[in-house]
Amino acid sequence: KQEVTQIPAALSVPEGENLVLNCSFTDSAIYNLQWFRQDPGKGLTSLLLIQSSQREQTSGRLNASLDKSSGRSTLYIAASQPGDSATYLCAVENTGTASKLTFGTGTRLQVTL
Amino acid sequence: IAGITQAPTSQILAAGRRMTLRCTQDMRHNAMYWYRQDLGLGLRLIHYSNTAGTTGKGEVPDGYSVSRANTDDFPLTLASAVPSQTSVYFCASSEQYNSPLHFGNGTRLTVT
Repeated sequence: KQEVTQIPAALSVPEGENLVLNCSFTDSAIYNLQWFRQDPGKGLTSLLLIQSSQREQTSGRLNASLDKSSGRSTLYIAASQPGDSATYLCAVENTGTASKLTFGTGTRLQVTL
Repeated sequence: IAGITQAPTSQILAAGRRMTLRCTQDMRHNAMYWYRQDLGLGLRLIHYSNTAGTTGKGEVPDGYSVSRANTDDFPLTLASAVPSQTSVYFCASSEQYNSPLHFGNGTRLTVT
């Protein structure tokens, strides 16, 4: 059974810092890994999707990497802003599981002024 | 604005009552999903549908049922609610497997 872990559970950084969020998974037979953002009381917003054949994806100040063989992904946020404060979740889609994603429990990020 | 609409946004329900959570998407996505989100447990898949007319069980299907009569709608029914079904329920959709998921804003359900 796939297990997805995100460490740390919470993180506080001052504005302007670059930061890295970590995600690990136990089963490397995946189609893709996805990163989401969740604001309080809201649904999840898709940030990046990395296919199993890719090593990284970039969108603006966000860069996600994938090392499938070691079961790890990182989300790099450059020049953090208070508006980046949210919970960030990663999820993996396993091959042979018909679109079913397994989610981590998230990292709650606070960017302070 | 294209997206997923969930209703109601919140509900308090007496145990034993029947409840249907509604979900509609206007993106013509093939696949739809229902997740529940609980503190410390993350999101867990309840049921899914890869295309209209088909449904499947996720990780925590007991006590819930779904139907997919058309592409746009994917209602979730609690036949006889129990307090352990208190949670935030999210509906999601994707164009197909291996595609980004799009989420609704959720329904906060409290079963007393």
